[in-house]
Amino acid sequence: GIQVEQSPPDLILQEGANSTLRCNFSDSVNNLQWFHQNPWGQLINLFYIPSGTKQNGRLSATTVATERYSLLYISSSQTTDSGVYFCADTNTGNQFYFGTGTSLTVIP
Amino acid sequence: KAGVTQTPRYLIKTRGQQVTLSCSPISGHRSVSWYQQTPGQGLQFLFEYFSETQRNKGNFPGRFSGRQFSNSRSEMNVSTLELGDSALYLCASSLAGGYEQFFGPGTRLTVL
Repeated sequence: GIQVEQSPPDLILQEGANSTLRCNFSDSVNNLQWFHQNPWGQLINLFYIPSGTKQNGRLSATTVATERYSLLYISSSQTTDSGVYFCADTNTGNQFYFGTGTSLTVIP
Repeated sequence: KAGVTQTPRYLIKTRGQQVTLSCSPISGHRSVSWYQQTPGQGLQFLFEYFSETQRNKGNFPGRFSGRQFSNSRSEMNVSTLELGDSALYLCASSLAGGYEQFFGPGTRLTVL
């Protein structure tokens, strides 16, 4: 299966700071997605981004498929951004391979 | 459009019992996948159903099974529960393979 490496594993930020989360993939990118897991466990879709760059408010993401990595940018972080961020990609089927996540804590 | 729904949201069972979890996908979605999340193993793929057929299966024992109905709703069953089955079970739906997937709120299972 696909190996997904996420970095950093943990991140503590002051409110208002910016951050960059990274995912590296061992195989070609197919259906890369970024998620935010809320405190109740639900995975909230942030981006579906197999290639290119997308922006949604304070969040943006870039995937460089040829180099098998993706970046998630969070600007002007808020306490509500706290939680665990996952990236995942599928193989040629529809099975997601998840990274181990980045745990983000934003301090007021 | 309503999102993915899962029932029940919480379950407490004892070892040896069996349990059935339900997932209703987004209207029009035909693919449903199931995942298990534990602190030690992270998010692991259980199986995927498309048009009532299991297309992919993860590396779980035969105690874990599933099915999909003609309306795309899916159920997963775990028989002879073990303490290690305590986990958050998430289902995801998508139009078909190769599309964006959307997750439900999960079912948190505790085995005592």
